Amino acid sequence: DIQMTQSPSSLSASVGDRVTITCRASQSISSYLNWYQQKPGKAPKLLIYAASSLQSGVPSRFSGSGSGTDFTLTISSLQPEDFATYYCQQTYSTPTFGQGTRLEIK
Amino acid sequence: EVQLLESGGGFVQPGGSLRLSCAASGFTFSSYAMSWVRQAPGKGLEWVSAISGTGGSTSYTDSVRGRFAISRDNSKNTLYLQMTSLRAEDTALYYCAKDIVVTIGAPTFDYWGQGTLVTVSS
Repeated sequence: DIQMTQSPSSLSASVGDRVTITCRASQSISSYLNWYQQKPGKAPKLLIYAASSLQSGVPSRFSGSGSGTDFTLTISSLQPEDFATYYCQQTYSTPTFGQGTRLEIK
Repeated sequence: EVQLLESGGGFVQPGGSLRLSCAASGFTFSSYAMSWVRQAPGKGLEWVSAISGTGGSTSYTDSVRGRFAISRDNSKNTLYLQMTSLRAEDTALYYCAKDIVVTIGAPTFDYWGQGTLVTVSS
């Protein structure tokens, strides 16, 4: 299976900050990469698909980039509702998720 | 409004069986692949199984292949997961998730249920 490694595992930031989360694949996955947001006690929510396509209804402060093995999720200006755990997921082969990045309020 | 409502979870002893269901509404069920994704308590997400819109294609993660069976009844807009030979490591919240396409090639989930908890313990 393709291993997905996210960094950092946790991150403290303030409202208004620009935040970047990185996801690295153990082999090239082209652009077969999705990002999800999960809040405590809730189901995950699709933010970005195919590495850089913004899911309908998701605020434009979220963006994704990358291809091959290295990908990033950027939140341009953190809002209070953005504090959550973020997961990357590769869909190039049997789908696997990263271990998650917990974004906390500083 | 798309809704996915899982049921069937519970407490079971190792070696036991459970059948999970996911009732779907708000979209043309047969036009989309569906998956089960699980999350062990306090842990990350793990894809378990997928089925195409017609039900003709299925796939499984290695750890459940041969023990779990995914199926769907498009006349009832319901997804199922038959789980047998359950192990402690199968303990998790099981989500059903709707794909954005009808095939199972590259699962991307735009809607999720709230999950049903499966606990395997003696």
